Amino acid sequence: DAKTTQPNSMESNEEEPVHLPCNHSTISGTDYIHWYRQLPSQGPEYVIHGLTSNVNNRMASLAIAEDRKSSTLILHRATLRDAAVYYCILRDVNNQGGKLIFGQGTELSVKP
Amino acid sequence: GAVVSQHPSRVICKSGTSVKIECRSLDFQATTMFWYRQFPKQSLMLMATSNEGSKATYEQGVEKDKFLINHASLTLSTLTVTSAHPEDSSFYICSATRGEGGFTEAFFGQGTRLTVV
Repeated sequence: DAKTTQPNSMESNEEEPVHLPCNHSTISGTDYIHWYRQLPSQGPEYVIHGLTSNVNNRMASLAIAEDRKSSTLILHRATLRDAAVYYCILRDVNNQGGKLIFGQGTELSVKP
Repeated sequence: GAVVSQHPSRVICKSGTSVKIECRSLDFQATTMFWYRQFPKQSLMLMATSNEGSKATYEQGVEKDKFLINHASLTLSTLTVTSAHPEDSSFYICSATRGEGGFTEAFFGQGTRLTVV
């Protein structure tokens, strides 16, 4: 699976939008973009995924660049409970049931 | 509710003893589960892939005789840390994937914090 690059940390204020960037310049045509997050002292949880089009769900939105070499996870209104490490992971469509390789992720802190 | 359950959530053991961690998929069958280890302020590091009914596949650098994995049923995988030492103290996390309609989502246990004294 191709590599991703994320900022080590970001800060946000409560109830403001947060844009978490991810670069994946070596993405292949069959790679899905997945986002997981890990709250303190817990296992990771799924946030969102996409291939080419922007995606929305109850947790977040995913904006994917036209060339797919970068993407942005958008939390529309950050809450204190959104403080976590966010991981952007590429996963080949032919390896959907396979292992996830985690990078360093972005540690998001949310200030009241 | 939790889809993947891990037990125990926290364990303290003496150096030289063995510790078993259980990972269960609660409402689906998982032929494959994964075990990760996470040190403080670091990312998750994949240790091994647990395969139901066959031997586990270990990542490079992970000692298979020290970290014994058993996947005897479609809903249970266990990780046994043998002859534990203080440097084995870490946060151990398991995961299993569930697929629907071409998309598979990875579900993670709540993690087990192991402290070896």
